[in-house]
Amino acid sequence: GQNIDQPTEMTATEGAIVQINCTYQTSGFNGLFWYQQHAGEAPTFLSYNVLDGLEEKGRFSSFLSRSKGYSYLLLKELQMKDSASYLCAVRDSNYQLIWGAGTKLIIKP
Amino acid sequence: IAGITQAPTSQILAAGRRMTLRCTQDMRHNAMYWYRQDLGLGLRLIHYSNTAGTTGKGEVPDGYSVSRANTDDFPLTLASAVPSQTSVYFCASSPGTSADTQYFGPGTRLTVL
Repeated sequence: GQNIDQPTEMTATEGAIVQINCTYQTSGFNGLFWYQQHAGEAPTFLSYNVLDGLEEKGRFSSFLSRSKGYSYLLLKELQMKDSASYLCAVRDSNYQLIWGAGTKLIIKP
Repeated sequence: IAGITQAPTSQILAAGRRMTLRCTQDMRHNAMYWYRQDLGLGLRLIHYSNTAGTTGKGEVPDGYSVSRANTDDFPLTLASAVPSQTSVYFCASSPGTSADTQYFGPGTRLTVL
């Protein structure tokens, strides 16, 4: 079966750095996405990785290792507004997105 | 309209009733999707459409139907609602037919009693 694993919840301090991990087992791989979802709102696109390595976009970076079936999202200089759920999704061989359950990130002052 | 809109925002429905959730996008995206989101689970694909006039089944299609008469609209119908269909429903769209970056509507919170 297809599976995306992420931690259920993480806590971090304002101004710090946090890394959210995602491991996957899917039938084929055609890219990995990270989305942010604030409570009661729609998911919004953060990043996309299809090749191994790090993609940096401002305070957010995303890393991919296809051989290990592993990705992480790195958030720097955390702000209170970063409190949200972070969703990992993998595009499989049928070009459909398989979603993890999401990681709820709590930021404390 | 800018982006994707969904209606209604929320709805309480008696079991056995028929319900249509509406989704409209103005980005001229080819592909559209319907997901449900339940606590503790990832988004699950119900139905999708790669282009107007075509539809396909996702992971959890039973009890739901869709149509895609034109590019902009992609309604989701529950023919006879059951309590297990209580969920938050998100419509999404993407530019291409191969599930490029997906953009989501604000969601419909549906409760079936």
